[in-house]
Amino acid sequence: NAGVTQTPKFQVLKTGQSMTLQCAQDMNHNSMYWYRQDPGMGLRLIYYSASEGTTDKGEVPNGYNVSRLNKREFSLRLESAAPSQTSVYFCASSDQPSYNEQFFGPGTRLTVL
Amino acid sequence: AQSVSQHNHHVILSEAASLELGCNYSYGGTVNLFWYVQYPGQHLQLLLKYFSGDPLVKGIKGFEAEFIKSKFSFNLRKPSVQWSDTAEYFCAVNNAGNMLTFGGGTRLMVKP
Repeated sequence: NAGVTQTPKFQVLKTGQSMTLQCAQDMNHNSMYWYRQDPGMGLRLIYYSASEGTTDKGEVPNGYNVSRLNKREFSLRLESAAPSQTSVYFCASSDQPSYNEQFFGPGTRLTVL
Repeated sequence: AQSVSQHNHHVILSEAASLELGCNYSYGGTVNLFWYVQYPGQHLQLLLKYFSGDPLVKGIKGFEAEFIKSKFSFNLRKPSVQWSDTAEYFCAVNNAGNMLTFGGGTRLMVKP
C-alpha cells in the first residue's frame, strides 16, 4: 500500500516550458487535491477534484490545469512555466471532501529558471 | 474568505520545555480543525483533528490541542518536547466545504 505517490521528485524548467506532474493514490479515495507550498505561506490549494469526473479551482489556479484521469490519478499541468511557479507541489487525497484526513504525497520540488 | 493565522513563525526550545503553538481562524460558522506536521524531508502527516465533542483533542506523539470557539483558536500543545519534534507545524481549517485552508506554518527547532 503505497499511499499517495508523485512523480517526478525534482524538476528544473526554463521559462515557457511545459510539464505535467503526476499523482496517484491507491486508497480508493474519492477526493484529490493539488497544493503548492511556499515559505511562510503554508499550503495553498491550486485545484481539487471532489470525485471522479469533477474538478474545481482552489485558491491559486492561474497558470495551471488539471485532469482527473480516473479515480486513482490526478495530474497537474503547467502549460507555460513562469519563475513565480517555483515551489514545492503536493498532491493529497481524502475519503470525503475535506471532512476527513487528507493524505499527502512526498512532493515535487520544481524550479523555473 | 476564510483565513488561518499562525503567529509564531519560528520557535526554538530546549528539550523538555513545554510547547504551545497558536492558531486562529476567521470563519464564524461550524469548522473542522486540523494540525499537520512536516518532519524534515518528509511529507505532511496528521497530528490531530477536531470535528465536534470534547474541545480538548489528543493526537499522536503526546500532542494535544484545545478548541476555544469564543476565541476562534485551536492551539497545539505538548508538555515536554523532544529533539525528534523538530519539524514544521501547520494548522488547517475546513468550514464543511471542499477546501482546507492552511496557516503559514511554524518551524520548531528543539535543541538537544
